[in-house]
Amino acid sequence: KQEVTQIPAALSVPEGENLVLNCSFTDSAIYNLQWFRQDPGKGLTSLLLIQSSQREQTSGRLNASLDKSSGRSTLYIAASQPGDSATYLCAVKTGANNLFFGTGTRLTVIP
Amino acid sequence: SAVISQKPSRDICQRGTSLTIQCQVDSQVTMMFWYRQQPGQSLTLIATANQGSEATYESGFVIDKFPISRPNLTFSTLTVSNMSPEDSSIYLCSVLQGGGTEAFFGQGTRLTVV
Repeated sequence: KQEVTQIPAALSVPEGENLVLNCSFTDSAIYNLQWFRQDPGKGLTSLLLIQSSQREQTSGRLNASLDKSSGRSTLYIAASQPGDSATYLCAVKTGANNLFFGTGTRLTVIP
Repeated sequence: SAVISQKPSRDICQRGTSLTIQCQVDSQVTMMFWYRQQPGQSLTLIATANQGSEATYESGFVIDKFPISRPNLTFSTLTVSNMSPEDSSIYLCSVLQGGGTEAFFGQGTRLTVV
């Protein structure tokens, strides 16, 4: 069964810093990997989707990379802002409808 | 991207009662998914709801506890029945778009059972 791990579980950085969140998965046979943002007690907002044939995707200050063979993805956030404070989840899609989620990294950006 | 409206956003319920959560999508979708997120945990799939057929439940979830309706291609409900404090979680509905590749979620329902 696919297992998804996110490290670190929590991260605090001062405003303006660049940071990297990590996601690893045990089975490299994935269709895609998706990064989400979740604010406390709320739903998930899709940030970036990387297909299995892609190496990276960018959206504004966010850049996500995928190394399928090693089972790793990173989410790079440039010039962090207090509004970036949230929990970031990665999820891998392994079948038609199967999404496996990590437990998330709780990010706090300190003004 | 899909816009998913989920109601209620939160509720506090007495044990032994039931709560029905509604999920409305702004476009027609074949499948809708219901997830549970227990405190401090990640998301777990409860069931997949197809229009016109019974929902497909994941291991550990049963229809008597989590009955699901899917009356049309844009709407679904999840009922949490005979609630106990262990049911306190965030419940989320989700759809796949972009040829079934990208997942979108509703705002979630934060349920507290007292």
